[in-house]
Amino acid sequence: AAGVIQSPRHLIKEKRETATLKCYPIPRHDTVYWYQQGPGQDPQFLISFYEKMQSDKGSIPDRFSAQQFSDYHSELNMSSLELGDSALYFCASGKTGPNEQYFGPGTRLTVT
Amino acid sequence: AQTVTQSQPEMSVQEAETVTLSCTYDTSENNYYLFWYKQPPSRQMILVIRQEAYKQQNATENRFSVNFQKAAKSFSLKISDSQLGDTAMYFCAFMKRSNDYKLSFGAGTTVTVRA
Repeated sequence: AAGVIQSPRHLIKEKRETATLKCYPIPRHDTVYWYQQGPGQDPQFLISFYEKMQSDKGSIPDRFSAQQFSDYHSELNMSSLELGDSALYFCASGKTGPNEQYFGPGTRLTVT
Repeated sequence: AQTVTQSQPEMSVQEAETVTLSCTYDTSENNYYLFWYKQPPSRQMILVIRQEAYKQQNATENRFSVNFQKAAKSFSLKISDSQLGDTAMYFCAFMKRSNDYKLSFGAGTTVTVRA
């Protein structure tokens, strides 16, 4: 069965650079969620999209933005990167509502 | 806001034995969902089990079962016949039933299964 695809899997950037993370949800899933997991921490919700519209927003820095495109893939754009942005970024997809969220393998971002 | 508390940072269990992970949560919602996710060393997040708050019957998935106590706001996970592949971090998570469907996670419990 198709799973959530995230690219790249690993990314190394320097401080103040920009990064773009991509997420391709499971076919026919209309909702995408982004989570950030710092070292030794639990995942924290950043933002979600339903049918290409932002549906909810968590503790996402103003330096970050995201969108969902017509093909339902989503991109998380991160600018002016800081050392503290180093984390594992998960994308999850599901059908809207209180349904299961299927997680991608994550993108490990390292900021040096 | 919902908070999820996992009071056991680490647990160790002998292969084939049983281990129980605790989770408590705080919410003013009446309808919600609870989940246990497993994160092995690969860091992949894998759904283990799900419980709807309006169901009194405890969910079961093969060797995994929960003890859901709504009044006590408690949601423990029991792993029976532990296997080496169960070694992972386990996260308890909360989801409201309406308006927003983000997951709120606990801090996690690291489970190590010993051979």
